[in-house]
Amino acid sequence: DAKTTQPTSMDCAEGRAANLPCNHSTISGNEYVYWYRQIHSQGPQYIIHGLKNNETNEMASLIITEDRKSSTLILPHATLRDTAVYYCIVSTGSARQLTFGSGTQLTVLP
Amino acid sequence: DVKVTQSSRYLVKRTGEKVFLECVQDMDHENMFWYRQDPGLGLRLIYFSYDVKMKEKGDIPEGYSVSREKKERFSLILESASTNQTSMYLCASSLSPGAIGTDTQYFGPGTRLTVL
Repeated sequence: DAKTTQPTSMDCAEGRAANLPCNHSTISGNEYVYWYRQIHSQGPQYIIHGLKNNETNEMASLIITEDRKSSTLILPHATLRDTAVYYCIVSTGSARQLTFGSGTQLTVLP
Repeated sequence: DVKVTQSSRYLVKRTGEKVFLECVQDMDHENMFWYRQDPGLGLRLIYFSYDVKMKEKGDIPEGYSVSREKKERFSLILESASTNQTSMYLCASSLSPGAIGTDTQYFGPGTRLTVL
């Protein structure tokens, strides 16, 4: 699976949009981009995934660049409960395991 | 919503004890996984199972065994607990048997195991 690069940490004001970037320049054609988050001392939580097109669900939006070398997870109106480590993972989905890197620590500030 | 539950949130055991960690999912998922998470090392796969009574080793199976007698239940067993097995243990499940793009994993809350 391709490797991803994310900033170590980010801050965001409560109520504002949080935009979390991820670089995956070695992504191959059959690899999806997945986003998970992990709130302190809890299990990771699936957020969203996509292949080429932008995706949106009740939690977030995922924007993937046309060359698929990077993506951005958008939390449209961040709340304090969104404070967590956010992981960007690239996977074919058939690898039977997910490789979690270091992720981005997002802190939502009041 | 998918629900994955783990038998304990916190567990303290002594060196040499046999430890059972249980995981139950309620969504009829085929795949189930056991990971451990340690600071600086991320999540590492211990074992996974893609069907009842089927199992495959992950990256760090040494010192662990697993059991899957029913589809909804996946147990992790530490035959003789050691201090280096002190960790957060995470169970996950997924529906698709590896079909591309649909293998989204759902995690339980985790069990923080301390071995003294």
